[in-house]
Amino acid sequence: KQEVTQIPAALSVPEGENLVLNCSFTDSAIYNLQWFRQDPGKGLTSLLLIQSSQREQTSGRLNASLDKSSGRSTLYIAASQPGDSATYLCAVIATDSWGKLQFGAGTQVVVTP
Amino acid sequence: DGGITQSPKYLFRKEGQNVTLSCEQNLNHDAMYWYRQDPGQGLRLIYYSQIVNDFQKGDIAEGYSVSREKKESFPLTVTSAQKNPTAFYLCASSMGDSQSDTQYFGPGTRLLVL
Repeated sequence: KQEVTQIPAALSVPEGENLVLNCSFTDSAIYNLQWFRQDPGKGLTSLLLIQSSQREQTSGRLNASLDKSSGRSTLYIAASQPGDSATYLCAVIATDSWGKLQFGAGTQVVVTP
Repeated sequence: DGGITQSPKYLFRKEGQNVTLSCEQNLNHDAMYWYRQDPGQGLRLIYYSQIVNDFQKGDIAEGYSVSREKKESFPLTVTSAQKNPTAFYLCASSMGDSQSDTQYFGPGTRLLVL
């Protein structure tokens, strides 16, 4: 059974520092891995999607890497801003389950001015 | 604007009562999903539908029911059999062309028990 873990559960950094968020998964048989952002009491916003054949994806200040063989993904957010404060969730779709996103519990990030 | 709408934003349920959460999308997506989120946990899949008039159970379907009579709509009913319904419920949709399509999420409905 696929399990997705995100460590740490919470993170606080001063503005301007780079953020490094980790995600690990137990079964490497995945179609893709997706990073989401969730603001308090809100829905999810997709940030980056990495297909299983890719090593990384970039969008603006965000960069996500994927090492399928070791079951790890890392989300980097450069030069953090207070507006980056949110919970970040990673999720995978396994090759044996149609469309079912398997989520980690998330990392709650606070960027202090 | 294209997107996914969920209503109501907050819903209160009395003991023994069935309640229905609405999810509507105008993205012309074939696939729709319902997830449940509990505090400090990731989302868990309740039901999903790949096409109109068809739906499948997810990991935690007990105590829930759905229908998919229209492409745009995928309502979720929380029945009295669901003993711990307090949670944040999120609806999502995707094109449905493949099982690895990006899923887009609605704003959520928070269900509370009186």
